[in-house]
Amino acid sequence: DTAVSQTPKYLVTQMGNDKSIKCEQNLGHDTMYWYKQDSKKFLKIMFSYNNKELIINETVPNRFSPKSPDKAHLNLHINSLELGDSAVYFCASSQDAGNTKQYFGPGTRLTVT
Amino acid sequence: DQQVKQNSPSLSVQEGRISILNCDYTNSMFDYFLWYKKYPAEGPTFLISISSIKDKNEDGRFTVFLNKSAKHLSLHIVPSQPGDSAVYFCAARNSGNTPLVFGKGTRLSVIA
Repeated sequence: DTAVSQTPKYLVTQMGNDKSIKCEQNLGHDTMYWYKQDSKKFLKIMFSYNNKELIINETVPNRFSPKSPDKAHLNLHINSLELGDSAVYFCASSQDAGNTKQYFGPGTRLTVT
Repeated sequence: DQQVKQNSPSLSVQEGRISILNCDYTNSMFDYFLWYKKYPAEGPTFLISISSIKDKNEDGRFTVFLNKSAKHLSLHIVPSQPGDSAVYFCAARNSGNTPLVFGKGTRLSVIA
């Protein structure tokens, strides 16, 4: 019954590795998002996809590549991981791009050592 | 450049009393404001919102007040309950498909 799910919940990896985080929503929403919550607790938008099309890209390094195989899934692939990538990453969805009521997943805590 | 500021990192309130969480913003183009609540190890959940054309919106125990001239909004919870203990995020956005901008959050502890 989970509306927005993310896997894995925890991810510990070494610098330089490539990793992916998966996100799925079963709400039938058109729009999905990736947020990063860093050590200072700010929750910042990274990407937004509407019907599999990228609509927001907030100056994120191109080591981060979102992929939306269908509108229920938005995966995040990160190449050449750096220490500064350590954070909690939240996936979210909303009915459409203009809808501010967003439903968040439980988060993925990424630790880069 | 914090466009949405929550200057109190934490707040403690006794059960049954009123909790008031504050939020200030700098961008006068923001026209929609939201509060999200977050429990540990969970994602934020939507709580209540307000459009810039209103100055108050109420939903049960939760009321959001907006003072556009002061660029300030507040969330009132009354009466506060122990289950309200969580981190509360204020968020805002411009019109159109613009991203939400979040504050750093305020941790509310409701003491029984």
